Amino acid sequence: GQNIDQPTEMTATEGAIVQINCTYQTSGFNGLFWYQQHAGEAPTFLSYNVLDGLEEKGRFSSFLSRSKGYSYLLLKELQMKDSASYLCAVRELKTDKLIFGTGTRLQVFP
Amino acid sequence: DTEVTQTPKHLVMGMTNKKSLKCEQHMGHRAMYWYKQKAKKPPELMFVYSYEKLSINESVPSRFSPECPNSSLLNLHLHALQPEDSALYLCASSQDQLNTGELFFGEGSRLTVL
Repeated sequence: GQNIDQPTEMTATEGAIVQINCTYQTSGFNGLFWYQQHAGEAPTFLSYNVLDGLEEKGRFSSFLSRSKGYSYLLLKELQMKDSASYLCAVRELKTDKLIFGTGTRLQVFP
Repeated sequence: DTEVTQTPKHLVMGMTNKKSLKCEQHMGHRAMYWYKQKAKKPPELMFVYSYEKLSINESVPSRFSPECPNSSLLNLHLHALQPEDSALYLCASSQDQLNTGELFFGEGSRLTVL
């Protein structure tokens, strides 16, 4: 099975940088994904890592270390609209199922 | 069109009612999913359809019955639900089941069971 952990809540200031960590334990790994979910809305895809290293996409970057079972999402130049839940999700190797972590609720203050 | 459309947005039903949730996508995706999300919790996978065939059932109680009439439509039939089934039900689609990473989600149907 999968065990995916993230901090429950984080706060940051507008314009700052924040790093949201995700650790996972899995019997088979086939990629790690980050989703953003605003309150009352659907999750939207942010990033995908299957190899070790950093993937950059504008203000958002995601890092993966498969040997450590660790990923982070880095958000730069924070804006108020970045206040949302950020979900780490791991794809199982055998079934290709996407399993979500507990999610991190980020609040950005002025 | 990159949308997944779900109806109704809100549904209140009694424990003896029969109702259905509907989901539609026109992106040509061949995999469709139902997830259940309780407040402040992550989405939990319920069912996966791949090429209109049920490929994954996460041991969901039979009071939830999925149906995929064609490649664009996904339904979830509800019967004899319990109050603890109250949740946000999210439909999602992806290009195919091997591309489960890039899921496109609908806005969800918020279900309240009285």
